[in-house]
Amino acid sequence: GIQVEQSPPDLILQEGANSTLRCNFSDSVNNLQWFHQNPWGQLINLFYIPSGTKQNGRLSATTVATERYSLLYISSSQTTDSGVYFCAVTSGSRLTFGEGTQLTVNP
Amino acid sequence: DAGVIQSPRHEVTEMGQEVTLRCKPISGHDYLFWYRQTMMRGLELLIYFNNNVPIDDSGMPEDRFSAKMPNASFSTLKIQPSEPRDSAVYFCASSFRLYTDTQYFGPGTRLTVL
Repeated sequence: GIQVEQSPPDLILQEGANSTLRCNFSDSVNNLQWFHQNPWGQLINLFYIPSGTKQNGRLSATTVATERYSLLYISSSQTTDSGVYFCAVTSGSRLTFGEGTQLTVNP
Repeated sequence: DAGVIQSPRHEVTEMGQEVTLRCKPISGHDYLFWYRQTMMRGLELLIYFNNNVPIDDSGMPEDRFSAKMPNASFSTLKIQPSEPRDSAVYFCASSFRLYTDTQYFGPGTRLTVL
């Protein structure tokens, strides 16, 4: 099956810093999504982005499907951005998640 | 809308017992998803429904697992008999369209099988 690799596995920032999270996938995909799981376990679907760039406030994402990667940018990070960020891809009908990037934003 | 509602929030049961998890999706959403999250396997999509019909159940781990959606406002995920390796957090999510609209997640059910 398709492999999804996220990097870095862990990231620690000071409030106000910017960051880039990466998702590499091993095969062509129908779509790609980014999710955030906060420290209390709540999952939030951030972006559906099979290609191109989208922005939502301080978060933006870019997927280059031909090169099989996606990037999630977090600008001016806040403590509420802490948690795990998952990338998930759909190839055919299967949805496969990466292992996530654990982000900690310190005040 | 109150969002996606799941019950119970926590369930502790003994191996061999039947477990039923419940989900009420957001009104008007046509798609409903069941996910499982464990430390070992991460997040997995188990099954999803479109207009109450199961579309893809290839993620359901084995015959002990079954899911139903008798109407647009209710779905169940049943495990019978339960085993310790089924211990996980089970999430339900719903959306208007498949993978193009935001999925809204419930708070999850934390299942512990002793």
